[in-house]
Amino acid sequence: SQELEQSPQSLIVQEGKNLTINCTSSKTLYGLYWYKQKYGEGLIFLMMLQKGGEEKSHEKITAKLDEKKQQSSLHITASQPSHAGIYLCGADMREYGNKLVFGAGTILRVKS
Amino acid sequence: ETGVTQTPRHLVMGMTNKKSLKCEQHLGHNAMYWYKQSAKKPLELMFVYNFKEQTENNSVPSRFSPECPNSSHLFLHLHTLQPEDSALYLCASSQWGQGDNSPLHFGNGTRLTVT
Repeated sequence: SQELEQSPQSLIVQEGKNLTINCTSSKTLYGLYWYKQKYGEGLIFLMMLQKGGEEKSHEKITAKLDEKKQQSSLHITASQPSHAGIYLCGADMREYGNKLVFGAGTILRVKS
Repeated sequence: ETGVTQTPRHLVMGMTNKKSLKCEQHLGHNAMYWYKQSAKKPLELMFVYNFKEQTENNSVPSRFSPECPNSSHLFLHLHTLQPEDSALYLCASSQWGQGDNSPLHFGNGTRLTVT
């Protein structure tokens, strides 16, 4: 089984609608990272969460890390075609490590 | 403009060829990484270099050989690959230190096709 489970695997939303992507682990996460990827390209860093209960926002994207540091959500408000892509969560599973593991990704399509 | 540059962007090679992937980071980071991204599979960490020392090797076959001559450059030497090694190979860098890690910054990857 994967160390990080992402859901849903794919998502199609109408432009202007809100959506949420989840990332779950059975282990404590030391550093949770959200990335966006266009097909065949590198990953673009979105946000990093480290503390339980932490929440960060950038433009219309909000990411939260739960108090137990085992689950994170990425919420997009009023989606736009520019939000389309693959969203990946990555996490460091060791307190003082830098071995980042990733979820399988969520493919987001936004219909105009 | 990305601070991590990978070359080439695309590579097609036969199973008997020897080729190398190159990665250069201009961010002053002290850690560099190779990841493999195959279709319908999560990103797989291959190698990690901290301060030019290899600290992770996730059971990668010996036909993949990394080299990190300095903290800004990372290579992945390829020889006698198999068709199933076809994938997007991503290089990343970060600033790593206990309790003060930066996020990984990724290059745009090399799309490798083994024929």
